Amino acid sequence: RKEVEQDPGPFNVPEGATVAFNCTYSNSASQSFFWYRQDCRKEPKLLMSVYSSGNEDGRFTAQLNRASQYISLLIRDSKLSDSATYLCVVNRGSTLGRLYFGRGTQLTVWP
Amino acid sequence: DTAVSQTPKYLVTQMGNDKSIKCEQNLGHDTMYWYKQDSKKFLKIMFSYNNKELIINETVPNRFSPKSPDKAHLNLHINSLELGDSAVYFCASSQVTGGSTDTQYFGPGTRLTVL
Repeated sequence: RKEVEQDPGPFNVPEGATVAFNCTYSNSASQSFFWYRQDCRKEPKLLMSVYSSGNEDGRFTAQLNRASQYISLLIRDSKLSDSATYLCVVNRGSTLGRLYFGRGTQLTVWP
Repeated sequence: DTAVSQTPKYLVTQMGNDKSIKCEQNLGHDTMYWYKQDSKKFLKIMFSYNNKELIINETVPNRFSPKSPDKAHLNLHINSLELGDSAVYFCASSQVTGGSTDTQYFGPGTRLTVL
């Protein structure tokens, strides 16, 4: 079983739509969680960290369910510029700096 | 004021050749990484160095040898290149303190094509 599993999509949504991505992780001892964004032919960049109580950054909301080992990302009022691949990332805390990346979920927002 | 830079950006070479990719970060971070992203877009860690000390060494062929001359640089040398080495190689850096994991900043990637 992979450390981090995501639905690869693609998700194709119109501008203004709300879209949700899910991710599961296999190691219950995992300590910290992130969503990264990767534009086509570019490097991954941190979108947001995910906290136990859930957190919001503008149109983006991240949730963590430790009991189910499940992470989600909700994007409201989608913009064309949100088109990218969203990577779910987990730190087990067992090795210095070691992050585990999901395969990514591809999102295309159309006008 | 580039944070993490890599050279070259593109590398096209023949099978069997030896090549190097250089990475530099000016963020003052203590940890640097090499990742490989294959055609299926899966990002896999290869190596990491913390203050010039090798920390992570995943199951990577020994044709791949990282070298960290100082904590701002992490280079990747590849011997006897094979077709399967074709991928995008990303360098990254982060500040890892007290067991926490801070944001990893990635370089722009080196697109390696082996013919």
